[in-house]
Amino acid sequence: DIQVTQSPSSLSASVGDRVTITCRASQRINTYLNWYQQKPGKPPRVVIFAASSLQSGVPPRFIGTGSGTDFSLTITSLQPEDFATYYCQQSHSAPYTFGQGTKLEMK
Amino acid sequence: EVQLVESGGDLVLPGGSLRLSCAASGFTFSSYWMSWVRQAPGKGLEWVANLKGDGSEKYYVDSVKGRFTIARDNAKNQLYLQMNSLKAEDAAVYYCARVRDYWTHAFDVWGRGALVTVSS
Repeated sequence: DIQVTQSPSSLSASVGDRVTITCRASQRINTYLNWYQQKPGKPPRVVIFAASSLQSGVPPRFIGTGSGTDFSLTITSLQPEDFATYYCQQSHSAPYTFGQGTKLEMK
Repeated sequence: EVQLVESGGDLVLPGGSLRLSCAASGFTFSSYWMSWVRQAPGKGLEWVANLKGDGSEKYYVDSVKGRFTIARDNAKNQLYLQMNSLKAEDAAVYYCARVRDYWTHAFDVWGRGALVTVSS
C-alpha cells in the first residue's frame, strides 16, 4: 500500500499570510495526488486534484505543486474562511490513502 | 443540483450488521465510480471502498474485506454499503462520495455523512 505523510500536523497563521503544507508519498505516484479542505461538522471538499488542477469554484490563492513523491499545497494569502483541516490523498492505486491531516489555525 | 444523501446510520452491537444507503441526484449516476469514505470521531479520513459505474469492479481497504460489501442500483440512483461483523473500530461517520473521474480519482461530491456507532 502507498503511504502518504503530511506535515506539519498543525499550523498557526494570520490572515494575509502565505502558508504551505507538504505531503510525501512512500513511492512515486506521478501526479495522482488530491487535496481536501474540511471544516468542523462538514464533509470535506476537494480543492486541488491531479496535484495542481484547481477544482471549480475554489479561489486561485490555492496552489498545488509537485510530482513523483513530494507535493505541496500553498495558500498565498490566507482568508478567514481558509482556517480548516487539510488532507492530501493519493489516487495512484487502491487503497486510496489519505494523509493524517493538517489543522490550520488562526494565530 | 448535484447531491448525495446518506441514510441508515445507527447504534449497533459489536458483531452486528447495518446497511447504509446513499441517494444520488442531479447527475448521471451510472456514469460515475462511487466511494465510501469514513471518519472516526476526532480522526482523519479513511477510504473504505469504491465501485465502478456499471458495478463490474470494486475495491476495498484491507480492514473491511470479507465484512463489507459495496453495491449500487443504477435504476434507483442508490449506492449501498452492507456492513457485517461490525467492530468497535468501524465506528465512524460514513460519507458517500462521487469519484470525479477514474484517473484523478478525486472525490468531488460528498454527502453529509451517516453516523455508525458500534457499542454494547
